[in-house]
Amino acid sequence: EVQLLESGGGLVQPGGSLRVSCAASGFTFSNYAMSWVRQAPGKGLEWVSVIGGSGTDTYYADSVKGRFTISRDNSKNTLYLQMNSLRGEDTALYYCAKVPVAVVQLERSWYFDVWGRGTLVTVSS
Amino acid sequence: SYELTQSPSVSVSPGQTARITCSGDALPKKYTYWYQQKSGQAPVLVIYEDSKRPSGIPERLSGSTSGTMATLTISGAQVEDEADYYCYSSDSSGNHRVFGGGTKLTVL
Repeated sequence: EVQLLESGGGLVQPGGSLRVSCAASGFTFSNYAMSWVRQAPGKGLEWVSVIGGSGTDTYYADSVKGRFTISRDNSKNTLYLQMNSLRGEDTALYYCAKVPVAVVQLERSWYFDVWGRGTLVTVSS
Repeated sequence: SYELTQSPSVSVSPGQTARITCSGDALPKKYTYWYQQKSGQAPVLVIYEDSKRPSGIPERLSGSTSGTMATLTISGAQVEDEADYYCYSSDSSGNHRVFGGGTKLTVL
C-alpha cells in the first residue's frame, strides 16, 4: 500500500524558515515524481512545487518561486520542502503527493494520484 | 495567471444526479482531473485525464469535457458523496498548474 507521511510543520515567525518532510513507502520512490500541494485554512487547494524522480527537474508556483526549494533523497525515500522568507499567506496544511510519472515536463499533463494527510505550517508572530 | 472556475455549491437529494462544472480557456487542450475532499481528510483522485476512473472509485462518478468546460457527474448521488470537489488542470503552456476554487456538494 502506498503511504505518504508528512512531518516537520509548526509555528514560525514571518521571515523565518522551516523544512517539511514526507516519508514514502509502498512503491519504488525513485521511479516517480513527487509534489507539494497546500491548503490554507478554510480555503482551496494550491499547487506549490514538483520534482522529477531523479531530482534534476523542479518546478514551482509563482507564489513561492525563489523562496521555497523542493528536493528528495531517494536513498531515504523522503521528499523535502525548504521554505524560506515565510509570510503569513504561507500558512497552510502542506500535502505531499505522488505524481504517476518519472519525468515531469511543463508541456505535458501530470497530476497527483496519492496524497498524504498533510503537515500544518503556521506563520505568525 | 490562469484560472479554473467552479460554482461554489451544488445541492441535490439522494438518488438525484449532481453535475459539477469547471471552466477554463485551456481545457480543450489540457486534461482535467477531479479530486474529492471530505471534511477533515486529504483529497482523493476520482477522475483523471477527463474521464478515466481510478480503481475503487464508484461507477456513479463520471467525467466529461466539451469545449472549455469539464463536468463531473454523480449519477444517483448518495449521502457519502457529500464533499468538496476540485478540478485541476494547467494553462496551455503548462507553466501554471491550478485547481478550481472547489464546489461543495450537499446531498440531503
